[in-house]
Amino acid sequence: NAGVTQTPKFRILKIGQSMTLQCAQDMNHNYMYWYRQDPGMGLKLIYYSVGAGITDKGEVPNGYNVSRSTTEDFPLRLELAAPSQTSVYFCASSYSKGTSNSYEQYFGPGTRLTVT
Amino acid sequence: TQLLEQSPQFLSIQEGENLTVYCNSSSVFSSLQWYRQEPGEGPVLLVTVVTGGEVKKLKRLTFQFGDARKDSSLHITAAQPGDTGLYLCAGEGYGGSQGNLIFGKGTKLSVKP
Repeated sequence: NAGVTQTPKFRILKIGQSMTLQCAQDMNHNYMYWYRQDPGMGLKLIYYSVGAGITDKGEVPNGYNVSRSTTEDFPLRLELAAPSQTSVYFCASSYSKGTSNSYEQYFGPGTRLTVT
Repeated sequence: TQLLEQSPQFLSIQEGENLTVYCNSSSVFSSLQWYRQEPGEGPVLLVTVVTGGEVKKLKRLTFQFGDARKDSSLHITAAQPGDTGLYLCAGEGYGGSQGNLIFGKGTKLSVKP
């Protein structure tokens, strides 16, 4: 299994441009998440999905959109990029309850985005 | 709003020393997870603690969940340079959390040879 994959690894955008961050998982996990990680700020949830066709906002959804047409894919769309969206973006997936009766998350390697 | 406070924020020690990292909250969590993140990579799950007072060991790492399920600690014995990384705790709320974890800001550990 490849686990959770993300593309691209790095991207530089100009203010006002748009782009889609790709995320895919091959573990048949029903739950998927998008986080952003800013220096010294931990991980903040942007959007999440509990299954194909179902998405919901997390803590910091403004400026982003998501879709979940298949179990495997969960792309994150940035419209009108702003410098405040400069960050490292992580996608994660989880199955409903793992062996520890908890939502243990598996993370991708991240996309480092700079908006100038 | 549920918050998880981690301390210390930074820790720089010599190889062979012991250390403890703390994760505290005023909220009760159904479970607490610890992740380690190395530069340029995503976090990797180390352990999940579910029962109040639970202690789990992973080689030289010992994890404890507080009796009241509001706090957790990570103790590393005889730290090695390979332990260097960002340690994140994450709490799962009760009922309807749908897997949404609350992450602490992390403890950045540097172990010098």
